[in-house]
Amino acid sequence: KQEVTQIPAALSVPEGENLVLNCSFTDSAIYNLQWFRQDHGKGLTSLLLIQSSQREQTSGRLNASLDKSSGRSTLYIAASQPGDSATYLCAVKDPRRGSTLGRLYFGRGTQLTVWP
Amino acid sequence: DTEVTQTPKHLVMGMTNKKSLKCEQHMGHRAMYWYKQKAKKPPELMFVYSYEKLSINESVPSRFSPECPNSSLLNLHLHALQPEDSALYLCASSQIGQAPNYGYTFGSGTRLTVV
Repeated sequence: KQEVTQIPAALSVPEGENLVLNCSFTDSAIYNLQWFRQDHGKGLTSLLLIQSSQREQTSGRLNASLDKSSGRSTLYIAASQPGDSATYLCAVKDPRRGSTLGRLYFGRGTQLTVWP
Repeated sequence: DTEVTQTPKHLVMGMTNKKSLKCEQHMGHRAMYWYKQKAKKPPELMFVYSYEKLSINESVPSRFSPECPNSSLLNLHLHALQPEDSALYLCASSQIGQAPNYGYTFGSGTRLTVV
């Protein structure tokens, strides 16, 4: 069974720092990997989607990389701001029963606090 | 429209009540999902609908009854819930195609409290 681990579980940094959030998964046979942001008690906002054939994706101050063979992904946040404070979830889409629906396996998230 | 809309945002219900959660998307996605999320835990899959048919039920108790009336709507009917069912209920959708590379779009969730 696929297991997804996120390190660190929590991170508190001053505004302006560049950050790296880590995600690892045990089975490299994935369709894709998606990074989500979740504000407290709210829904999930998709940040970046990386296909299994891709190495990285960028959106604004965010950059996500994928090393499928080693089962790792990193989310890089440049010049962090207090508005970046949230929980960041990593999820891999895994083959399930031969269906293209797949199945999403989540990590437990990294809770990020950026203080002014 | 690139959103999944869930209503209501908050719901408080008694253990003998019957209520429904609603989810709507107009992105043409043909797969829709219900997830349950407890505090400080990742979302857990409950049901998957594919082309308006239930394709996956993750052994969810019968007090939760999903319904997919059409390709844009997904409901979750609730009856005789327990306090431990209190959680954030998330709806999601995705495209279906030959290539399994589509991502998921999540709604903002319904915060359910059972008293």
